[in-house]
Amino acid sequence: NAGVTQTPKFQVLKTGQSMTLQCAQDMNHNSMYWYRQDPGMGLRLIYYSASEGTTDKGEVPNGYNVSRLNKREFSLRLESAAPSQTSVYFCASSGLAGGPGGTDTQYFGPGTRLTVL
Amino acid sequence: GIQVEQSPPDLILQEGANSTLRCNFSDSVNNLQWFHQNPWGQLINLFYIPSGTKQNGRLSATTVATERYSLLYISSSQTTDSGVYFCAAFSGGYNKLIFGAGTRLAVHP
Repeated sequence: NAGVTQTPKFQVLKTGQSMTLQCAQDMNHNSMYWYRQDPGMGLRLIYYSASEGTTDKGEVPNGYNVSRLNKREFSLRLESAAPSQTSVYFCASSGLAGGPGGTDTQYFGPGTRLTVL
Repeated sequence: GIQVEQSPPDLILQEGANSTLRCNFSDSVNNLQWFHQNPWGQLINLFYIPSGTKQNGRLSATTVATERYSLLYISSSQTTDSGVYFCAAFSGGYNKLIFGAGTRLAVHP
């Protein structure tokens, strides 16, 4: 099993450009998440999908949209990138349905390092 | 919302030493996890431990939910233990998983 995979690994955008970060998991997990990590800080939840077909806002959703394409895939879209969105983005998944309050562990992808100029 | 505070912020050890990392949270929680982020950025879940004690090799964790803290113990540290250790807590009242700022650990040979 590959676990959680993310593409791309690195990306540089200009202010105002759009892009989609892709995430896929092969563990048949129900819940999936998108986090951002800024220098010297912990992770902050952007959006999550508690089960296939549902998405909900996390702590910092402004400027982002998500799509739970199917059970395996959960994408994050930046419609008009801003320098404040420069960060490392992590996708994660967990087995149980129910989102971040679920009583199971989260498994993380390798991250996407995004720079917005 | 719930506050998660970790201490110490930085820790330097000689290989073979033991250490204790602490995580305090400001409200009752029903989900408490410890993660290790290695120097290459990969995040690995260490423990899901809303209460009680768990052990995995040289690592163990204890959460005392009634006193709102969790401890991560690292025994006989190795250079591969270096990185940042995060705790994260979920409170049903806020519907958020909140991460602490982390403890940055450096283990020297």
